[in-house]
Amino acid sequence: RKEVEQDPGPFNVPEGATVAFNCTYSNSASQSFFWYRQDCRKEPKLLMSVYSSGNEDGRFTAQLNRASQYISLLIRDSKLSDSATYLCVVTLTGGGNKLTFGTGTQLKVEL
Amino acid sequence: DAGITQSPRHKVTETGTPVTLRCHQTENHRYMYWYRQDPGHGLRLIHYSYGVKDTDKGEVSDGYSVSRSKTEDFLLTLESATSSQTSVYFCAITGGDKFYEQYFGPGTRLTVT
Repeated sequence: RKEVEQDPGPFNVPEGATVAFNCTYSNSASQSFFWYRQDCRKEPKLLMSVYSSGNEDGRFTAQLNRASQYISLLIRDSKLSDSATYLCVVTLTGGGNKLTFGTGTQLKVEL
Repeated sequence: DAGITQSPRHKVTETGTPVTLRCHQTENHRYMYWYRQDPGHGLRLIHYSYGVKDTDKGEVSDGYSVSRSKTEDFLLTLESATSSQTSVYFCAITGGDKFYEQYFGPGTRLTVT
């Protein structure tokens, strides 16, 4: 079983739609959680951190459920520019802050 | 954007040749990382550094070595490149006031023929 699992997609959605991505992680000792965005042939960029209380940044909402070891990302009012691959990332405490990446979920927003 | 550059950005080399990739940061951050990204595997950690001359292995370190003689530079060396090392290599840094957030360089596309 992979340490971080994501549905690879692609998710094809019309502009303006709401789309949700899910991610599960296997190590219950995971401490910090993030969503990164990666455009085609570009480097990953931090989209947002994920907190136990849930957090929102504009059209993006992230949720964490530690009991179920589950992370989600909700994108409202999708834009064409949201088309990218979204990477779920977890890290353990100590040990050099090593990140464990999911393989990513591809989103395509269409007219 | 974080001040991270990688060189070269693209390289084609032959099996058995040594290759060195360079990561340079202007942020004075303590931690630096080398990852490779391959289809179906996501990003995997090769080596990381937690200070000058302080390095440690990641999950896919076989066939790679690293060096960090200055805070700003982290070098990744493939002593004898193999075709299985064809990949996109990303450097990342972390530190400052958001310790757990990593920022990536633009990547190096390496092809070993």
